[in-house]
Amino acid sequence: DAGVTQSPTHLIKTRGQQVTLRCSPKSGHDTVSWYQQALGQGPQFIFQYYEEEERQRGNFPDRFSGHQFPNYSSELNVNALLLGDSALYLCASSLDIGGPGDEQFFGPGTRLTVL
Amino acid sequence: GNSVTQMEGPVTLSEEAFLTINCTYTATGYPSLFWYVQYPGEGLQLLLKATKADDKGSNKGFEATYRKETTSFHLEKGSVQVSDSAVYFCALTAGGTSYGKLTFGQGTILTVHP
Repeated sequence: DAGVTQSPTHLIKTRGQQVTLRCSPKSGHDTVSWYQQALGQGPQFIFQYYEEEERQRGNFPDRFSGHQFPNYSSELNVNALLLGDSALYLCASSLDIGGPGDEQFFGPGTRLTVL
Repeated sequence: GNSVTQMEGPVTLSEEAFLTINCTYTATGYPSLFWYVQYPGEGLQLLLKATKADDKGSNKGFEATYRKETTSFHLEKGSVQVSDSAVYFCALTAGGTSYGKLTFGQGTILTVHP
């Protein structure tokens, strides 16, 4: 059983460009959350998708957008990249019918570097 | 809003030493509490959790007890190994509009020397 997978592993972009990151949830999971982890910091919640809708959002600008597909996989898009967007982007999947104490399974992340 | 505060790191210990990493939280309602571990170059793995007051989570020799009266969830291990070297994150999820959103502390780097 594959866990959460993310692609690509690493990415280098320049300021002003746009980027798309991809995530496939753990088998049987229907909810995907995205987190940004800056160097030396804890992950920060970006948004969560369930039933192809953005269910809740953290304090990130509209340059950050996402999508969830019918097979529950998800994309994170970032427009007009800034140097400060350089970070490890983590995807986590879970089962919606579970309670708030249920585990969220994390992927290995995509390391984005903006030059 | 919800927040998690962890003790400042890094923490450096010798093998077989006792480990404590402090974690306190602020949350509305009754949060669930977690410790995640991040090994070099990897994503986060759940280490243990507790979902109600006085619950003790445990795994791989690590323990943490949900203390509502002190809003704390300190991580402990009686005898650390070199393989425990990693970054440890305390986190919570709360109910209501924050359902399913993990709020993390800043992380504590643990290095264990032979």
